[in-house]
Amino acid sequence: NAGVTQTPKFQVLKTGQSMTLQCAQDMNHNSMYWYRQDPGMGLRLIYYSASEGTTDKGEVPNGYNVSRLNKREFSLRLESAAPSQTSVYFCASSEGWIPGRSSGANVLTFGAGSRLTVL
Amino acid sequence: GEDVEQSLFLSVREGDSSVINCTYTDSSSTYLYWYKQEPGAGLQLLTYIFSNMDMKQDQRLTVLLNKKDKHLSLRIADTQTGDSAIYFCAETLPRPPRGGYNKLIFGAGTRLAVHP
Repeated sequence: NAGVTQTPKFQVLKTGQSMTLQCAQDMNHNSMYWYRQDPGMGLRLIYYSASEGTTDKGEVPNGYNVSRLNKREFSLRLESAAPSQTSVYFCASSEGWIPGRSSGANVLTFGAGSRLTVL
Repeated sequence: GEDVEQSLFLSVREGDSSVINCTYTDSSSTYLYWYKQEPGAGLQLLTYIFSNMDMKQDQRLTVLLNKKDKHLSLRIADTQTGDSAIYFCAETLPRPPRGGYNKLIFGAGTRLAVHP
């Protein structure tokens, strides 16, 4: 019952360094998401992948890139970290849109989070 | 515009009922959700309600939806210390006509503190 697994749990970077957050889900979900959580601001969507082979920008994509490596895995890359990217990052997945099915609730399953500090 | 608002803090005594409120601005919302986040963990779905319903009950949880006022509430009966967490309200907007992602908008979260 792993659900959504993301690594690392904690990371400290210096300004300008790069890193990749990894995420994998074992629920055969079509859609995957990266959010960041900042105090008093709730969750903001960085990027999402509606289905394998597609990625799209969310609300706050600047400074990030993503790769949907296969159906299971969706990684988030910071090419040149900035202090403003200090945050807690959550990966999530959902069944997503299935052609021919009527719209239903978009229920997300979240990972445990990755706390990133950029000095 | 698309916005979901919640008060940031709520403190209740153990055994009392808690009521967490949420307002949203987009009248085209299809589903509304409550997620719970315990310390150091990700968000977990508590419950959700379809926009054409006005109430949903699940054990100690009661969700009330006033679509006219765009107001959603979560009532937790007999609140326990294990209910201490951050509660997020969220709404889903209609899926684009050609499919793809039906946008999910989160509020900032309400921190519920339960004291003896």
